Amino acid sequence: DTEVTQTPKHLVMGMTNKKSLKCEQHMGHRAMYWYKQKAKKPPELMFVYSYEKLSINESVPSRFSPECPNSSLLNLHLHALQPEDSALYLCASSQLGPGDTQYFGPGTRLTVL
Amino acid sequence: KQEVTQIPAALSVPEGENLVLNCSFTDSAIYNLQWFRQDPGKGLTSLLLIQSSQREQTSGRLNASLDKSSGRSTLYIAASQPGDSATYLCAVRLSPGSARQLTFGSGTQLTVLP
Repeated sequence: DTEVTQTPKHLVMGMTNKKSLKCEQHMGHRAMYWYKQKAKKPPELMFVYSYEKLSINESVPSRFSPECPNSSLLNLHLHALQPEDSALYLCASSQLGPGDTQYFGPGTRLTVL
Repeated sequence: KQEVTQIPAALSVPEGENLVLNCSFTDSAIYNLQWFRQDPGKGLTSLLLIQSSQREQTSGRLNASLDKSSGRSTLYIAASQPGDSATYLCAVRLSPGSARQLTFGSGTQLTVLP
């Protein structure tokens, strides 16, 4: 199983809503990532979890709150977002070792009204 | 700070042509380089990964080369097909440490015309 799954595929939320994005992998990978991608731009790293601990926060606003409940799951909790936060949110995982290929999920298309 | 550049930004070719996509990076002290494909509104699919000690990797009609000293990588696509139409991104990974992040280029949007 070389798949990273993300739910939901699409999400529309108001600026006062609280919602969560979910990412799951069953490849035994010990690093998981959240990226944000705007149209026609490369993905921008947001967070890295390594062995279920947050190892990188790329100065992301606190309205984005990551959580790694276990080695297979990664959540991104959203609260009080702004319209400019509308983007494709990608989750990825990697083994943490030589030949460290990152496997990406299909993404969640987020629209903030 | 590592910067990754991809030229051209967009490319349109007739079906059957062989083509080369370019990727350059400013810091040659990389751990590895990865080529991805992204279809519109979709996630990224890893195509090839080249370790810093390797010169090239091949998968089917795809061949990726790496010249660390000059800070360049190329993705060669043989006998292009309309199904190859997508955005191709290269990404370089810095020397390994506790963080394994990639620095992405802006991508080349490829259109293969039938």
